[in-house]
Order: sequence, then C-alpha cells, then structure tokens
Amino acid sequence: QQPVQSPQAVILREGEDAVINCSSSKALYSVHWYRQKHGEAPVFLMILLKGGEQKGHEKISASFNEKKQQSSLYLTASQLSYSGTYFCGTLGGSNYKLTFGKGTLLTVNP
Amino acid sequence: DAGITQSPRHKVTETGTPVTLRCHQTENHRYMYWYRQDPGHGLRLIHYSYGVKDTDKGEVSDGYSVSRSKTEDFLLTLESATSSQTSVYFCAITGDRGNTEAFFGQGTRLTVV
Repeated sequence: QQPVQSPQAVILREGEDAVINCSSSKALYSVHWYRQKHGEAPVFLMILLKGGEQKGHEKISASFNEKKQQSSLYLTASQLSYSGTYFCGTLGGSNYKLTFGKGTLLTVNP
Repeated sequence: DAGITQSPRHKVTETGTPVTLRCHQTENHRYMYWYRQDPGHGLRLIHYSYGVKDTDKGEVSDGYSVSRSKTEDFLLTLESATSSQTSVYFCAITGDRGNTEAFFGQGTRLTVV
C-alpha cells in the first residue's frame, strides 16, 4: 500500500513556508523524502528512522511520529529551487519494500 | 553520483512483444527496486530484490517478472507488452535496509504501441 501524501499540490511565493504530510497504515521502520524535478530522477532529501535519528538536507527539516505512522516535511523560507514534486517513501519493519506516495507538487513563484 | 545506469533510456515496442529493461549498479548495494511512474500515481513498486536470486513482488507486479543473477544487475521483463505498460520506469538501489538513501537511475521511457 502506498503511503498517503497531502496536500496534492501547493503554490507558494518565494520566502513562504510549506508543510507536506505523509501517513501510512502500517508500522514504519523509516521514512524517506525525495524531490523530483520535471524529467529527472528523484533526489534524496532526508531519512527519518524509528527512534528519532535523522539524516539529510541542512535546510529542510522533518518529523516522524512513530505511533501515528506519520511524517511531515517542513520547507521554510522557500526558494525557487524548491519547486518540484516531493515524494515520501516508507519502509516497514518486516520486509524490504520501499514504497512511495503519489507525490506533492510544490510550485514556488517569485 | 552513485553508479547506477538504466538501459535502454527510451524504447518503443509493439503490443505483445517481450521487453527487458536493465538496471546496472557499481555500488555493490544489496537492495534494488523497480518502479513505474505514471501521472497521478506517483512511484509504484513493481518488484524488488534483497540479494542475488532473492526477489519479491511489489504493488503492481502483474505482467512483469524480474531476475537478479548477480549483485550488479537487476532485470525487469515485460513478457508480453501491453499499452497499459507504457510508462517511465525507474530503478533504485539502497545499501543498508532503510538506513541509507536510495539512488535512482535516470529512468527508461517505454512506449507500447
């Protein structure tokens, strides 16, 4: 089952903040976040591990609520380069499936 | 950049023909994945591998098979291509299970006519 992302799309002006949410119906071992520019491959942003460890981007933060199987990605003071589609990927504890959501299209305008 | 390449990058094929896509890595990573990307559906997992000759199905595996006879190569085969399999296919690799980032190949655009 794909994790559920919200919102599906968001439009910002440069400098504004955004939050993208990801939720899963299964217990999670880790949550991944990626950004994809049009016509390109997804690129890694961040991993959040069960237990609180985070690895990733310096200017982007995220949270992981293990009990609720939810994660949020926080984009602050957005830049034009933040535009793209954001995907959360989830990995359960019992197998090796890395499953992605449908994505959130973020558009940052000047 | 991680060493992961997909071939071919573009392919047009006819309905009913077999097609094989190749994912090759030079990172010696254990886990490899095949996804398809379609508008409105995001990235959907087709099959994945957790070691040589160890594979399992993803969410949309019908009509696809995979093989992994060595660490560096993961093959995706469409036994008899259909128009519904027209898509962009991505391969991804990751090392330690869930603890490290996944690297994606550049994608293969497959058109079934």
